[in-house]
Amino acid sequence: NAGVTQTPKFRVLKTGQSMTLLCAQDMNHEYMYWYRQDPGMGLRLIHYSVGEGTTAKGEVPDGYNVSRLKKQNFLLGLESAAPSQTSVYFCASSSHRVGYTFGSGTRLTVV
Amino acid sequence: DQQVKQNSPSLSVQEGRISILNCDYTNSMFDYFLWYKKYPAEGPTFLISISSIKDKNEDGRFTVFLNKSAKHLSLHIVPSQPGDSAVYFCAAPPYGGSQGNLIFGKGTKLSVKP
Repeated sequence: NAGVTQTPKFRVLKTGQSMTLLCAQDMNHEYMYWYRQDPGMGLRLIHYSVGEGTTAKGEVPDGYNVSRLKKQNFLLGLESAAPSQTSVYFCASSSHRVGYTFGSGTRLTVV
Repeated sequence: DQQVKQNSPSLSVQEGRISILNCDYTNSMFDYFLWYKKYPAEGPTFLISISSIKDKNEDGRFTVFLNKSAKHLSLHIVPSQPGDSAVYFCAAPPYGGSQGNLIFGKGTKLSVKP
């Protein structure tokens, strides 16, 4: 099915470990985003990209890095995971302000 | 200051009655608003939107009202159904920001009881 695919769906990390979350979209969307959702905090933007090869910081970028080497992929990296990064991560893509399509999320626990 | 606020974390409604979810915003320059619906273990999905040039937009059982003078919008669901039980997020593109970026409220969890 067309849409946004996130891998993995679940992950448990130890403090200090690194990992990369992959987001792939097959809708030829220009814009891609990484959000995190925490209880009582809603959805907060980590990083976003307005096109292949471009990235920009969102509201809560510290501790994360991103790359958009191909138009269809947006990678979110944690270089040294911390318990404060325990969250549900959502990737989304859009061609304009209305057309946000979200992935099903990655539940990350850092112990 | 560019914020979207949902001050009610939860709402419980009886099946068949009206559900009203509220959202306030801080910047009068916001010109477009969206509502997203999220079920557990799924990503949010787009529900309905409204442009600032309108004060009402309707789609089936869902209606969004916009009061620009009060910087307030509301989502009405009539009649409410148990399948409407979800978290609802209000969102808006920031004024002067990226074309595709959205600011989200904290969400309101709606429970529709049979």
